[in-house]
Amino acid sequence: EIVLTQSPGTLSLSPGERATLSCRASQSVSSNYLAWYQQKPGQAPRLLIYGASSRATGIPDRFSGSGSGTDFTLTISRLEPEDFAVYYCQQYGSSRWTFGQGTKVEIK
Amino acid sequence: EVQLVESGGGLVQPGGSLRLSCAVSGFTVSSNYMSWVRQAPGKGLEWVSIIYSGGSTYYADSVKGKFTISRDDSKNTLYLQMNSLRAEDTAIYYCATAVAGYGKYFQHWGQGTLVTVSS
Repeated sequence: EIVLTQSPGTLSLSPGERATLSCRASQSVSSNYLAWYQQKPGQAPRLLIYGASSRATGIPDRFSGSGSGTDFTLTISRLEPEDFAVYYCQQYGSSRWTFGQGTKVEIK
Repeated sequence: EVQLVESGGGLVQPGGSLRLSCAVSGFTVSSNYMSWVRQAPGKGLEWVSIIYSGGSTYYADSVKGKFTISRDDSKNTLYLQMNSLRAEDTAIYYCATAVAGYGKYFQHWGQGTLVTVSS
């Protein structure tokens, strides 16, 4: 099973700052099958990025994804108040899906 | 608009059973991949199971042999039969649509139903 490790666990930033979130896989992941989700308290996850770098419908362009192989990154160029949340990466392989443990982006 | 509404959660004793339902509108369950994802209190997301459009089913190792995913095409509804429940199965259970082709990501999510396993 591919294990996804996200870092940092918590990111403390101010609105307007840039956020860089990392997702590292225990073995190579096809870029086609790497996604990112945002989850706010009491809400279901929301798809942000799929295929490592494609934004989902309605997602602002301040969100971007990059990476390949075992290292992937979610970047939020300028944090808006509504962006403070927990972010998860997710991969697919051989009819199995796994999520990272999450990165919390909190207001500094 | 795609809507997924889960139901069937609640309090169950260890060793007990529960069946979750996910009623779907705006999306044809039988023609697509449908999945269950759970989240233990204060923890991260864990994929549980998926059913493909062709009927093939897959499970996380943690629930294999205990949980069964199924669907009723006439009701456009997804189910999760959960047996031999243990405290570690306590979680919010989300149903989600999964893209079958490029991406294999979870596109639409329900609001979840809480399952609590406790005596």
